[in-house]
Amino acid sequence: EVQVLESGGGLVQPGGSLRLSCVVSGFPFNNYAMSWVRQAPGKGLEWVSDMGDIGGGTYYADSVKGRFTIFRDNSKNTLYLQMNSLRVEDTAVYYCARVNIFEVSPGFDPWGQGTLVTVSS
Amino acid sequence: IVLTQFPGTLSLSPGERATLSCRTSQSVSSSYLAWYQQKLGQAPRLLIYGTSTRATGIPDRFSGSGSGTDFTLTISRLEPEDFAVYYCQQYDSSPPTYTFGQGTKLEIK
Repeated sequence: EVQVLESGGGLVQPGGSLRLSCVVSGFPFNNYAMSWVRQAPGKGLEWVSDMGDIGGGTYYADSVKGRFTIFRDNSKNTLYLQMNSLRVEDTAVYYCARVNIFEVSPGFDPWGQGTLVTVSS
Repeated sequence: IVLTQFPGTLSLSPGERATLSCRTSQSVSSSYLAWYQQKLGQAPRLLIYGTSTRATGIPDRFSGSGSGTDFTLTISRLEPEDFAVYYCQQYDSSPPTYTFGQGTKLEIK
């Protein structure tokens, strides 16, 4: 069974840092790009960052560029999101998702259950 | 690219047909348009990719269509479990980024 499980969320003060983890199982992690998507309370979905498979690049939304870093440890089947200089507006549920490429069409499937990050003093 | 979904809220009864729209600010490849369903308190689920192809396990009452800047998700006969929020998403390859629409809430009338 394909599984995606995030962890690492919590309460942090503005300006602080947090590292999220996403452990996957049930598929060859090395072969897939992975993405982070967030959802502020009561709001819609916002793509945050993407990392390609082996040798793939890293990409960020403008809202987090320069503050967040995505990286992966293929030996541990784990994707990470290092979040620095956190702002109140970064408060959200953060989802990890596998990027499936169906021939040329991407789709995020499956998604984890999400981890809540709250930035507040 | 900005994705605008309409209506913001759609009130229908089970058994009715639902038509949800997604308009992009620039023409996008039909290969790069997807739809997701999110039920309250749950993670999103992929419904449609490449504008019109249903993801694994998605019932055939869900269908997608469109091209250029106008895309549509249709639910032919609403079931009680279909009432949720629906998001369209587009992929831009240069540089690789994704954008979601703001969502359409499908509620029971």
